[in-house]
Order: sequence, then structure tokens, then C-alpha cells
Amino acid sequence: RKEVEQDPGPFNVPEGATVAFNCTYSNSASQSFFWYRQDCRKEPKLLMSVYSSGNEDGRFTAQLNRASQYISLLIRDSKLSDSATYLCVVNVGKSTFGDGTTLTVKP
Amino acid sequence: DAGVIQSPRHEVTEMGQEVTLRCKPISGHNSLFWYRQTMMRGLELLIYFNNNVPIDDSGMPEDRFSAKMPNASFSTLKIQPSEPRDSAVYFCASLRGGGVNEQFFGPGTRLTVL
Repeated sequence: RKEVEQDPGPFNVPEGATVAFNCTYSNSASQSFFWYRQDCRKEPKLLMSVYSSGNEDGRFTAQLNRASQYISLLIRDSKLSDSATYLCVVNVGKSTFGDGTTLTVKP
Repeated sequence: DAGVIQSPRHEVTEMGQEVTLRCKPISGHNSLFWYRQTMMRGLELLIYFNNNVPIDDSGMPEDRFSAKMPNASFSTLKIQPSEPRDSAVYFCASLRGGGVNEQFFGPGTRLTVL
């Protein structure tokens, strides 16, 4: 079993849709959690950190469930520019990246 | 701020040749990471340094791979001899530390070994 597993995707949604990604992790000692975004043929960039209490940044909401060992990312009112691969990252001393979930938002 | 700088951006070489990838982290960042990304295996951590000292190299695939960080502003990843299965995008990332956990990635080096 991989340390970090994500929804395989791809997700193809129309503009304005709400879409949610989940990510599970195996190490209960994991300390910090992040979502990164990677555009095609570009480097990953931090989208948002994930806090225990949940956090929101505009149309994006991230949540952490330590008991079930998963994190989620919710995107509301999706835009064409949200099309990208979303990588879940879990830190236990070092960072472990999920394989990513590809989102395509269509007109 | 120039961000993390990597060179070369693209490298095409023949099997058996030595390849050296270079990285300049963001000034003031005290951790540096080397990753490899392929379609099959996703983004894999190869090695990371704290204050120029290698901390975890368990991700380095084999002895053909080596990494150095002679000072706070420069690191290299060397593959000798290179093999076709080493073809991938190699990313370098740096992190400030001191509780700030965001990693900043360089643009990557796209390596093709023929």
C-alpha cells in the first residue's frame, strides 16, 4: 500500500461545478499536510496548507480527518483555469507526494 | 527573488554518459530537496539536505546516483553512468525552515537518455 493515495481521476467537470478530491495516508504520525497544484509541464506549487480545524481560501476548502487519516480538497464554482493536477502532500519528517488527481474544467 | 534555479532545463544524452544536474536554492532557505517525476512512478523524493548536510538519501535509486551540496547556494545531482530508465523530470526544491513548510520548486530538468 502506498503511503499517500489519491483519487485516481481524471475528473472532467463543467464550469461552475463543485468538485472534491480525497487523499488517504497510512502513517498516523504524519505531522503536516498540503495540497499542491501542478500545471502541465510545470513545477508543483503550493495551493494551500491543511489545518486540523479545516481552512478555506476563496473557492477552495481543505479539511483534515486524523481519525480516518484522510484530507480533502473542495473546489466550488470551478473555473477553466482550475484545470491542473492536484497533489496531496503528507509530511513525517520528509514530504511524501501522492500521484495526483487530474482535473479538467470544460466550458 | 529569482526562485529556485535549475540547469540545464533540458538534457538529451546517450546511455552510459555522465549527467550532472544543477540547482541554486532560494537564498536563506536551509533545506534542499531533489525529486524525480515520471508518469509511472509519480513524484519521488530522492534525497534532501538540511544546512548542506544530507539527511535522507533512501530515495536514491542506486549507486549510479549521487548528490552533493558544497555550500548553501548550490547543489548537484549526478548520474553516472546514465541509463534510459533514468529519463524523467528532475525537480529541485528548497524550504526556508523554522516552521515554514512550503517547498518552492524549480522549473525542473527534463532528462532523456537514449
